[in-house]
Amino acid sequence: QSALTQPASVSGSPGQSITISCTGTSSDVGSYNLVSWYQQYPGKAPKLMIYEGNKRPSGVSNRFSGSRSGNTASLTISGLQAEDEADYYCCSYAGSSTFVFGGGTKLTVL
Amino acid sequence: EVQLVESGGGLVQPGRSLRLSCAASGFTFNNYAMHWVRQAPGKGLEWVSGISWNSDTIGYADSVKGRFTISKDNAKNSLYLQMNSLRADDTALYYCAKDFMGSSWSYFDYWGQGTLVTVSS
Repeated sequence: QSALTQPASVSGSPGQSITISCTGTSSDVGSYNLVSWYQQYPGKAPKLMIYEGNKRPSGVSNRFSGSRSGNTASLTISGLQAEDEADYYCCSYAGSSTFVFGGGTKLTVL
Repeated sequence: EVQLVESGGGLVQPGRSLRLSCAASGFTFNNYAMHWVRQAPGKGLEWVSGISWNSDTIGYADSVKGRFTISKDNAKNSLYLQMNSLRADDTALYYCAKDFMGSSWSYFDYWGQGTLVTVSS
């Protein structure tokens, strides 16, 4: 159960696009179409942003999109806004009734 | 409206036990799997344990296996986490999270606000 690998931080200017990668293994990200992404503001509970790799829950802006290729999943935020500044976590089902999270990425909007 | 309210956290000495509870409302609790996810101060999220809708399927992170026990009381719309042999590295905010699915597991569509567990002498 090793954590998925995310960059510690990413940054972008308003209006730009950024992508956060999430690298796992053939035992988790590469085996299951069950990668989800969560947004977390300081002192708040996480919020589901993307599920099953590329699907958005109702109410989540279409500026958020996800993809998966092999053992790596990605979250892209287009048209960056100040309100997007938060921590982002990927998560994957890892088999045997377990999940694994990424270490988290702090997004800074410059 | 889905609501998940955790309770039972507090300050506990190393080696002691604590039982967390999560009261659920706003959805048919007995149809869904549930999970515990924790976050140590200033750190990332860590999945701790999950349980299927009927308690047939249970999973634990290696870090808590053999020490923590998850359970679900569908009659009381409640999720529990019995934590034994607590260690300093169990100190964290513990979140209760609802799974989108019931028997198979998928993702966490609703989260509570968390209950803080501090393990210290």
